[in-house]
Amino acid sequence: GAGVSQSPSNKVTEKGKDVELRCDPISGHTALYWYRQRLGQGLEFLIYFQGNSAPDKSGLPSDRFSAERTGESVSTLTIQRTQQEDSAVYLCASSLGGDFRYGYTFGSGTRLTVV
Amino acid sequence: GENVEQHPSTLSVQEGDSAVIKCTYSDSASNYFPWYKQELGKRPQLIIDIRSNVGEKKDQRIAVTLNKTAKHFSLHITETQPEDSAVYFCAAIGRTGANNLFFGTGTRLTVIP
Repeated sequence: GAGVSQSPSNKVTEKGKDVELRCDPISGHTALYWYRQRLGQGLEFLIYFQGNSAPDKSGLPSDRFSAERTGESVSTLTIQRTQQEDSAVYLCASSLGGDFRYGYTFGSGTRLTVV
Repeated sequence: GENVEQHPSTLSVQEGDSAVIKCTYSDSASNYFPWYKQELGKRPQLIIDIRSNVGEKKDQRIAVTLNKTAKHFSLHITETQPEDSAVYFCAAIGRTGANNLFFGTGTRLTVIP
């Protein structure tokens, strides 16, 4: 597609439920990233996929968080047993891998509210 | 991993004045430093970036400077306009991967007409 697409744009869930967030990167972008942005704060790295390499999961805050990506296509971020502190905007970005000229392109994010 | 610190957290300037935002990083191996602008409720957008083999880069009213020895880099906006009001994030590539960016905590810039 023309840009990075994320769905849903908004999600309200009850504490303890599982949620799944989706990211559809720009076609041809081998690298995909998930970031979390709490209200009024910076972007917190979660996970990074590069082609078929093993993902860098070093930013995942707990074992309730997991993400998958098949090849160079769609990625899903799953949060199990959601807690109120999980409330944030989850941003996905993609890039052309090692080519810095194009930087990252961010999606519009999914605003997750845990009540 | 990389640790990026950004100052100030908020900045107010009069329209037409200059704004400067500063960042420091911890990993001497970092070699790519982009700046993102995030308007209220919108996604971050890349506005300028610099690689470690240059000390300064300009694009119209914005410029970025890099001091590798001191491990700091700065964003300069001249002749500020109200539409420059936004949150600005600096970032640096982390050691863990060639494209893994670590972000500063952001600077909320307000340009007063």
